Amino acid sequence: AQSVTQLDSHVSVSEGTPVLLRCNYSSSYSPSLFWYVQHPNKGLQLLLKYTSAATLVKGINGFEAEFKKSETSFHLTKPSAHMSDAAEYFCVVSSFSQGGKLIFGQGTELSVKP
Amino acid sequence: DVKVTQSSRYLVKRTGEKVFLECVQDMDHENMFWYRQDPGLGLRLIYFSYDVKMKEKGDIPEGYSVSREKKERFSLILESASTNQTSMYLCASSFSYGGVYEQYFGPGTRLTVT
Repeated sequence: AQSVTQLDSHVSVSEGTPVLLRCNYSSSYSPSLFWYVQHPNKGLQLLLKYTSAATLVKGINGFEAEFKKSETSFHLTKPSAHMSDAAEYFCVVSSFSQGGKLIFGQGTELSVKP
Repeated sequence: DVKVTQSSRYLVKRTGEKVFLECVQDMDHENMFWYRQDPGLGLRLIYFSYDVKMKEKGDIPEGYSVSREKKERFSLILESASTNQTSMYLCASSFSYGGVYEQYFGPGTRLTVT
């Protein structure tokens, strides 16, 4: 069975400093992995996806994530945080064995200080 | 751009009322999903549908039903609303081929049951 664990429920950074949001996954199959972002009172927006092509995946708004099979990790990074990055971020694995259902992490709330 | 729309952003209903939440997608997606999102509990799948007139229970179907009469429309029904159904409801859609199942989300409906 697939599962995903976001290691931090809350991360706080200063504007202009790097962002690291950590995610570990468990999967019996070669997984598809995603990061979604949710701004307050909005729906979820896809940031990036890993689908067994390149292990370093670039997404929107300067975010990227690296798939590391040996560490079963898919951490999200950004070199320089912007105030507009403040939001909740979800790491997600696709349950191929269950017809494409998504398994969501609990979310990491990112705060950006001026 | 994929567009998933939900009929209401905010809804207030009384206990015992029948409530309809509507979701429409414009990308000819086969799959559609209903989630509820609660603080500390993340996103939980209520129901999903692979095709017109087909439905599958998710993780928390009790107290809910769904209807999919047309491919682009997926309705969530609360037969008799209760206060513990106060929540944010998110609709999503996706394709069902290729092994990559990213879902596209609507803006959400914040339902309050009093």
